[in-house]
Amino acid sequence: DTAVSQTPKYLVTQMGNDKSIKCEQNLGHDTMYWYKQDSKKFLKIMFSYNNKELIINETVPNRFSPKSPDKAHLNLHINSLELGDSAVYFCASSQGGQGNEQYFGPGTRLTVT
Amino acid sequence: RKEVEQDPGPFNVPEGATVAFNCTYSNSASQSFFWYRQDCRKEPKLLMSVYSSGNEDGRFTAQLNRASQYISLLIRDSKLSDSATYLCVVRVWEYGNKLVFGAGTILRVKS
Repeated sequence: DTAVSQTPKYLVTQMGNDKSIKCEQNLGHDTMYWYKQDSKKFLKIMFSYNNKELIINETVPNRFSPKSPDKAHLNLHINSLELGDSAVYFCASSQGGQGNEQYFGPGTRLTVT
Repeated sequence: RKEVEQDPGPFNVPEGATVAFNCTYSNSASQSFFWYRQDCRKEPKLLMSVYSSGNEDGRFTAQLNRASQYISLLIRDSKLSDSATYLCVVRVWEYGNKLVFGAGTILRVKS
């Protein structure tokens, strides 16, 4: 069983479109995250949710909107996609906050053309 | 200055070699330290936490020097399967307790 899963794995879309990435974890963790890894390989946190409540919201354009329907799911919706949004987006989860080991999903490779 | 800096490498070493990576962090308020491993086109996975007194896990040894603000990872008897990118990770309380990742050091172990 996959601990943290994301769909889709690959996403190719045109500028201006709206897209969503879904994430689910079956580890029973209470905290979930979205990270962006750009072409320079920097992995940077975007959002963090604890028990469905937003606790970290980095300086991310408001075109990005996370939604957590329950503790096991954290989806990412992106409006009006831009070329600079092309990256790999990783979902992760942990128990008890950021100090504890984070388990990452396989990533979603987004290409905006 | 980047919050977490690593030599990007690549480090090309033969099997059986010992290799060491260093990482420096800029924020003295950093609290916790980790090494993650990321294989090509895969997700990062925790390799080991780094404790103040230093710690060892099999062939891997991690050290922390708070005074100089650097962390090291030593890999002994390198295996082909150790080839990956090693990410230095720091947790900083004042940044909302978030994890800050370095860009990673590439290791290639060759037969």
